[in-house]
Amino acid sequence: AQSVTQLGSHVSVSEGALVLLRCNYSSSVPPYLFWYVQYPNQGLQLLLKYTSAATLVKGINGFEAEFKKSETSFHLTKPSAHMSDAAEYFCAVSPPSSNTGKLIFGQGTTLQVKP
Amino acid sequence: DAGVIQSPRHEVTEMGQEVTLRCKPISGHNSLFWYRQTMMRGLELLIYFNNNVPIDDSGMPEDRFSAKMPNASFSTLKIQPSEPRDSAVYFCASSPLGLPGQETQYFGPGTRLLVL
Repeated sequence: AQSVTQLGSHVSVSEGALVLLRCNYSSSVPPYLFWYVQYPNQGLQLLLKYTSAATLVKGINGFEAEFKKSETSFHLTKPSAHMSDAAEYFCAVSPPSSNTGKLIFGQGTTLQVKP
Repeated sequence: DAGVIQSPRHEVTEMGQEVTLRCKPISGHNSLFWYRQTMMRGLELLIYFNNNVPIDDSGMPEDRFSAKMPNASFSTLKIQPSEPRDSAVYFCASSPLGLPGQETQYFGPGTRLLVL
């Protein structure tokens, strides 16, 4: 079965520091992968997605993620954190056989940005 | 577009009462999802519809929960009778028809339910 694991339920960085949020997937076939962000008291919104076109995917707000098949990883990074990046981040996987948009979400990582 | 619309945004009710949550997906989207989010269990998929037909309801906790999608622009999630452990934020999301597996889900703002 498809699944994603997000290492670290809480990550704290200083403003201006590198952001690295980890996501590993389990699948015998490379799936499609997504990162969503949830700001306080809001629904989730898409940051970026990997659909096999390019292994380095750029998203909104300066975030990017690199698909590494050998490591079964899809880690999210941003070179310099802003206070406004404080939110909860979810990695999600879509099984290649899916045709209904169903996603399997990880447990989420809360990003704290310290001034 | 107004995005996914959910109502009510907040609901406080007493144990045993019926609760109905409503969702209007983005026009033209053909898949609709209901999620529940709690601190303990994270984000859980309850049920999803494709072209108004329920595809997978294996995430529905028990018979007290039911969901309907009578047409492409409206869905309800009903809890009857409600219990305190149902307290959570309930999200509705919709996605358009696209390349299989690559569809983006668009989430509503959620309904925060508190059952006393």
